[in-house]
Amino acid sequence: TQLLEQSPQFLSIQEGENLTVYCNSSSVFSSLQWYRQEPGEGPVLLVTVVTGGEVKKLKRLTFQFGDARKDSSLHITAAQPGDTGLYLCAGGGSGTYKYIFGTGTRLKVLA
Amino acid sequence: GAVVSQHPSWVICKSGTSVKIECRSLDFQATTMFWYRQFPKQSLMLMATSNEGSKATYEQGVEKDKFLINHASLTLSTLTVTSAHPEDSSFYICSARDTQGHQPQHFGDGTRLSIL
Repeated sequence: TQLLEQSPQFLSIQEGENLTVYCNSSSVFSSLQWYRQEPGEGPVLLVTVVTGGEVKKLKRLTFQFGDARKDSSLHITAAQPGDTGLYLCAGGGSGTYKYIFGTGTRLKVLA
Repeated sequence: GAVVSQHPSWVICKSGTSVKIECRSLDFQATTMFWYRQFPKQSLMLMATSNEGSKATYEQGVEKDKFLINHASLTLSTLTVTSAHPEDSSFYICSARDTQGHQPQHFGDGTRLSIL
């Protein structure tokens, strides 16, 4: 069974601080996605990474896929209250269309 | 962009009732859709993969007779929670695989099911 562990589970920080969320697995994934979810809504895709070592930037968010494609990280610079939400990573295996979601990281940014 | 519509968004019903949730891809064809379940403050758990024109593939531990999935067209999959009980109360989310778009799957906004 493929498992994706995210850390930390919960994070409460002040506006302007930096943070990193980690997504780790013992399995290799052909691609990995990061989502943000607001309460009562479906998850919204932030990025998809497919190449080992790949780094993608989305404004203040930086995503990295591990060289072995088993792990990923999300770094947020100068966090803002609007970044508050549940962050989820999701891994997709080769030859399958389904994605397995990570355990989630709940972020709260205080003004 | 591609949109997935999920209906109803919220349903409250008595224990023993069967509840049907619809998942529609509005502007693309989806041969594969996925159903997830999410408990409060937890992540999404994949329940089953819905394949158009064939039987759904259920994840380990998910009761096939409890959660009936039908994918009769390229734009519609339904999940029926049969004889629902309070422990079935949860947030159910569907996603549809988009083979033509830049994004591998598009999510609906979820259905909050509350069984009294």
